[in-house]
Amino acid sequence: GEDVEQSLFLSVREGDSSVINCTYTDSSSTYLYWYKQEPGAGLQLLTYIFSNMDMKQDQRLTVLLNKKDKHLSLRIADTQTGDSAIYFCAEKGNNRLAFGKGNQVVVIP
Amino acid sequence: DVKVTQSSRYLVKRTGEKVFLECVQDMDHENMFWYRQDPGLGLRLIYFSYDVKMKEKGDIPEGYSVSREKKERFSLILESASTNQTSMYLCASSLHRDNSPLHFGNGTRLTVT
Repeated sequence: GEDVEQSLFLSVREGDSSVINCTYTDSSSTYLYWYKQEPGAGLQLLTYIFSNMDMKQDQRLTVLLNKKDKHLSLRIADTQTGDSAIYFCAEKGNNRLAFGKGNQVVVIP
Repeated sequence: DVKVTQSSRYLVKRTGEKVFLECVQDMDHENMFWYRQDPGLGLRLIYFSYDVKMKEKGDIPEGYSVSREKKERFSLILESASTNQTSMYLCASSLHRDNSPLHFGNGTRLTVT
C-alpha cells in the first residue's frame, strides 16, 4: 500500500527559499501532488508532477522528483508571509490519493 | 473554478446522536471523497464514491456510513457519534477516476461531547 512520509515543521525568513521534502513508497504512482492548507481552510491544490518528469516549475514553485529514491520536494522561492501554511504531498496509486502527514511552514517576517 | 461546499463549518453534537455532514460540488464531478484530519495523523480516507448510489470503504470506515443519491451531493453519516469522532472532516471531489486532482471543501470541525 501507499505510505507517504513528511517532516513536520519548517520555519523560514521572509524572502528566503523554503524546501519541503516527501518520500513515498508506491513505485506505480502516476501523479504526485502538493497541496496547501491555510488555517481554517480545506486543502488547495498547488501543483503536481507526472511520474515521468524530473522537474516542474510554476512561478515561485519548483517540484523535483527523484523516482529512483521515491523522493519528492517542493521549493518555494522568495517565501512570503502568505506562504505560511501546512503543505501536504500526495501520491496517486491504486485509484486513490495517499497523503503525507503534512509539513507546517512558518514564515518569519 | 470548482466549488465544493460543506454545509457547516462547526458542529457540536452529543455522544450517541446521529450526525449528517453534507457536501455539494458544482462541477459535475464523478468522484467524491470524505476524509478526516487529525493532528499528527494527516488525512485519512473514510469513504469514497465513483458514481451515484455507489460507495467504497476507505481506510477508516468504522462508525461511518455515506449516501450518494445525487451526483453533486455526498453525505457522511455518523450513526451514533462518539467522542473519538471529534475531528476535522474534509470533503473532496474529482472529475475522473484516474488522474484528476482533488478539490476540497473548507472542512467541518465536529466536536462530540
